[in-house]
Amino acid sequence: GQQLNQSPQSMFIQEGEDVSMNCTSSSIFNTWLWYKQEPGEGPVLLIALYKAGELTSNGRLTAQFGITRKDSFLNISASIPSDVGIYFCAGQTNQAGTALIFGKGTTLSVSS
Amino acid sequence: SQTIHQWPATLVQPVGSPLSLECTVEGTSNPNLYWYRQAAGRGLQLLFYSVGIGQISSEVPQNLSASRPQDRQFILSSKKLLLSDSGFYLCAWSRKSYQGYGSYGYTFGSGTRLTVV
Repeated sequence: GQQLNQSPQSMFIQEGEDVSMNCTSSSIFNTWLWYKQEPGEGPVLLIALYKAGELTSNGRLTAQFGITRKDSFLNISASIPSDVGIYFCAGQTNQAGTALIFGKGTTLSVSS
Repeated sequence: SQTIHQWPATLVQPVGSPLSLECTVEGTSNPNLYWYRQAAGRGLQLLFYSVGIGQISSEVPQNLSASRPQDRQFILSSKKLLLSDSGFYLCAWSRKSYQGYGSYGYTFGSGTRLTVV
């Protein structure tokens, strides 16, 4: 079945550093989504991407939909302690009735 | 606005006992509904999804089942829990996306932490 390879699995950074994580797939997706999950909570949508090459920002977060439609990255600039959590990428094809496919997540730890 | 409610927030159940987790969505109609399980520190595993009342698709064979008795109600059940059923269970909803259109994304509930002892 379709799979998303998300990397890195975990990151330990200092407050103020920039962060970059990415997802790749052997399949083409029409939508890429990035979610953040804080401890004990459900994931919350951060950014949605719908067009190849699209670059979208949400505050200090920037995500891009890869030109090949098989990858996406998420950057966080000037990280702060509240950025800690698990970040998930998710992709969906354009086939009606298919569910989102999620990456395994990147766990981010920020030390102040 | 749309909201999703999931309860209980935490649950401790003995092995062999039954399970019923409930999820309801407000502020929308005819949503797609999903149950996910997340083991500690791990990714999201899709268990069931439903595109309408009484319509359930199972992604992973197991001793869990799901039902959708009403348009905005999704229930996850088990007749006899196993230790391996412990985990964080998440319900989610989405608008229906159609061929050629992008996904609207999923909105997740706050989850149920199930511990089977």
